[in-house]
Amino acid sequence: DAGVIQSPRHEVTEMGQEVTLRCKPISGHDYLFWYRQTMMRGLELLIYFNNNVPIDDSGMPEDRFSAKMPNASFSTLKIQPSEPRDSAVYFCASSTGYGYTFGSGTRLTVV
Amino acid sequence: QKEVEQDPGPLSVPEGAIVSLNCTYSNSAFQYFMWYRQYSRKGPELLMYTYSSGNKEDGRFTAQVDKSSKYISLFIRDSQPSDSATYLCAMSPYSGGGADGLTFGKGTHLIIQP
Repeated sequence: DAGVIQSPRHEVTEMGQEVTLRCKPISGHDYLFWYRQTMMRGLELLIYFNNNVPIDDSGMPEDRFSAKMPNASFSTLKIQPSEPRDSAVYFCASSTGYGYTFGSGTRLTVV
Repeated sequence: QKEVEQDPGPLSVPEGAIVSLNCTYSNSAFQYFMWYRQYSRKGPELLMYTYSSGNKEDGRFTAQVDKSSKYISLFIRDSQPSDSATYLCAMSPYSGGGADGLTFGKGTHLIIQP
């Protein structure tokens, strides 16, 4: 089992550019979560899916953020346009009812 | 009042010591309690998972939950330098995170001195 796979590991982009983060959950896990981690705010839930359907996106900070899960093995988190305050580590996690398995995260820097 | 409070540390102890990490919470609906360990530049990994009040032991790790006090603890016996990491508590009303996902503490940075 390769675990939850995220790409890219690091992303440096200029303000105003579009950023797409990718996640492959563990096969058979029916929940997928996107979290953002910063020193100031810790881990914050952005959005989660159940069986590929978005259930709660109330944590998405603004309309600039969007997430999709076109099938059970792939999800994306998109930021358009990106801003410096979006700089953080973004984690994807999947679950089937017994804790979460996190990916290694994408460290996003917006300059 | 934040929903989950956790002292950020750093907490520095000598190798071999018993470590106590704690969280308090305010939401009485929380039923499932977890501890995650996060090494630098890695994702959190599940360490302990408990339901409701009581103790659970796994090797050198013991998790305690006191729902009446809204207080959870993680004890590490015979601490090792490899235990140096950030420890995050997490909790939820639902076993899989469910409707609201997990609510995390900000984490305690633990340093075990050789």
